[in-house]
Amino acid sequence: RKEVEQDPGPFNVPEGATVAFNCTYSNSASQSFFWYRQDCRKEPKLLMSVYSSGNEDGRFTAQLNRASQYISLLIRDSKLSDSATYLCVATRSNDYKLSFGAGTTVTVRA
Amino acid sequence: DADVTQTPRNRITKTGKRIMLECSQTKGHDRMYWYRQDPGLGLQLIYYSFDVKDINKGEISDGYSVSRQAQAKFSLSLESAIPNQTALYFCATSDTRRTGASDTQYFGPGTRLTVL
Repeated sequence: RKEVEQDPGPFNVPEGATVAFNCTYSNSASQSFFWYRQDCRKEPKLLMSVYSSGNEDGRFTAQLNRASQYISLLIRDSKLSDSATYLCVATRSNDYKLSFGAGTTVTVRA
Repeated sequence: DADVTQTPRNRITKTGKRIMLECSQTKGHDRMYWYRQDPGLGLQLIYYSFDVKDINKGEISDGYSVSRQAQAKFSLSLESAIPNQTALYFCATSDTRRTGASDTQYFGPGTRLTVL
């Protein structure tokens, strides 16, 4: 079983819509969580960290549910430029290892 | 200028050839990593280095070797390339000296390797 699992999608949404998706992690020792964004054939880039209390960065909201071992990402008022693959990442504190999910693809259409 | 650079960006080679992928960073980070990415799979860690004298195997190190020539340089070698090593390879860096944890990783642009 993969340490981090994601629904690959694709999620096809119109501009202005809200889209949300989850990621589950299997290692209960995981302590830090992130969402990275990857555009086609490009390198992953950090979108946001995920904090225990949940956090928001503009149109993006991330939530962590430790009891059920999942994190979520919600994108409000979707833009065409939000079309990308979103990678969920889990890591233990003070550990080298980031475990990446395979990604969820979001396509925003005009 | 990019903080993490990789060369070459694209490479086509034949089975059995030796290939070296190079990574350089100007971020001054202590840790460097090599990943491969295959369609439908997450990034898989090949090797990582905490500093020049500390090299560690990742999840899928078989068939690969690395060299940390300096803090800023980390090379990945395929001693005898095989077709299932065809993938997108990423180098990444992180800075643990301030936070003590390997949080944000900064990725290079990737090398697309095809082994025929």
